[in-house]
Amino acid sequence: DSGVTQTPKHLITATGQRVTLRCSPRSGDLSVYWYQQSLDQGLQFLIQYYNGEERAKGNILERFSAQQFPDLHSELNLSSLELGDSALYFCASSVGDRERYEQYFGPGTRLTVT
Amino acid sequence: AQSVSQHNHHVILSEAASLELGCNYSYGGTVNLFWYVQYPGQHLQLLLKYFSGDPLVKGIKGFEAEFIKSKFSFNLRKPSVQWSDTAEYFCAVNAHRNAGNMLTFGGGTRLMVKP
Repeated sequence: DSGVTQTPKHLITATGQRVTLRCSPRSGDLSVYWYQQSLDQGLQFLIQYYNGEERAKGNILERFSAQQFPDLHSELNLSSLELGDSALYFCASSVGDRERYEQYFGPGTRLTVT
Repeated sequence: AQSVSQHNHHVILSEAASLELGCNYSYGGTVNLFWYVQYPGQHLQLLLKYFSGDPLVKGIKGFEAEFIKSKFSFNLRKPSVQWSDTAEYFCAVNAHRNAGNMLTFGGGTRLMVKP
């Protein structure tokens, strides 16, 4: 157990819908990261937040947005869902915001869009 | 942009065989290197990491990796695999940039160890 929690574990929804994935970082970690793992694209970095502010952005679609709240938990919002958005979404956390800080991964949320 | 290549997509070994998984990255600057393992149905776990210093890095569960800067490689090795090593292995890189800490992952290698 890494100490990073994600809810829900599984989510099944229809195309065109909107969902919210939630992540709680390890105690003391200020950075939160979101990654998407799909069969087509592999494991890809989406976005990083550090202490409430966006720190780095990867291949995140405009239909997706994220935020980090004052209690440091983060939410990833996915809207106008398409079949291709079906994937495993991982959250990770680290103490700091730079490359020398190790990232710890949560168990993931499996999203299925039908 | 940085990229990571894992050339072996699927590897099948018998127990006690030696393992070497290849990882090459493309980035001209300073990097940190990682190997993660994902057991079936579980989250990513860090096996080992290289930040600086001795290029031969030892990790958990008997794994080690060698950073060869001239070859842009960070291959994972284990002298004798066990059935419990069946998993998917990911090499990852993060580059020293002005901001952020994004990991770039390779495509992964699925290892199956036959008992």
